Amino acid sequence: DQQVKQNSPSLSVQEGRISILNCDYTNSMFDYFLWYKKYPAEGPTFLISISSIKDKNEDGRFTVFLNKSAKHLSLHIVPSQPGDSAVYFCAASEYNFNKFYFGSGTKLNVKP
Amino acid sequence: DTAVSQTPKYLVTQMGNDKSIKCEQNLGHDTMYWYKQDSKKFLKIMFSYNNKELIINETVPNRFSPKSPDKAHLNLHINSLELGDSAVYFCASSQGNLNTEAFFGQGTRLTVV
Repeated sequence: DQQVKQNSPSLSVQEGRISILNCDYTNSMFDYFLWYKKYPAEGPTFLISISSIKDKNEDGRFTVFLNKSAKHLSLHIVPSQPGDSAVYFCAASEYNFNKFYFGSGTKLNVKP
Repeated sequence: DTAVSQTPKYLVTQMGNDKSIKCEQNLGHDTMYWYKQDSKKFLKIMFSYNNKELIINETVPNRFSPKSPDKAHLNLHINSLELGDSAVYFCASSQGNLNTEAFFGQGTRLTVV
């Protein structure tokens, strides 16, 4: 049973525009959420995270939004760049649990 | 200097063989993990170790045996390999019970023929 879901397997965006990647979760005990970026033949690389006590966290071009009532989070990339083309994984964990649950990933293609 | 390194990167072996994947982290983390990425691209946790002790074992067949000789190393031994074991295996580490991110190795693509 997937507790973290990314329903869009792929997304194509023009360079300079906004990319919005979405993620839904089912476990109300999750209190920490992360986004990872993955290039082919490499391991996932941490991008940005958010704690459940916040609803927004921003780091440069990347912003993560958390809607706890809807059990939904999203990653905004503005402006999108061709180098952002990769697979993005959403992940979540419960406090004090040595375990991250991952979504199935969304492949982002940023066209020049 | 690689933070989490795992070897080998590629491993092709025959059914029934026994193989090991090694993982080392130089981040000083006290928690290490093994994740499996299957053909559907899901990343699923297999094991979690905290200070060399097994914390999580996600109903993985007992042909898979993790071994942690110290905090910086978590190796994965797989006995009697089966075709269904073909996947990419990722090692990761994090700073234990704090809400912090996990750092991943580059992955080991295991192909069982």
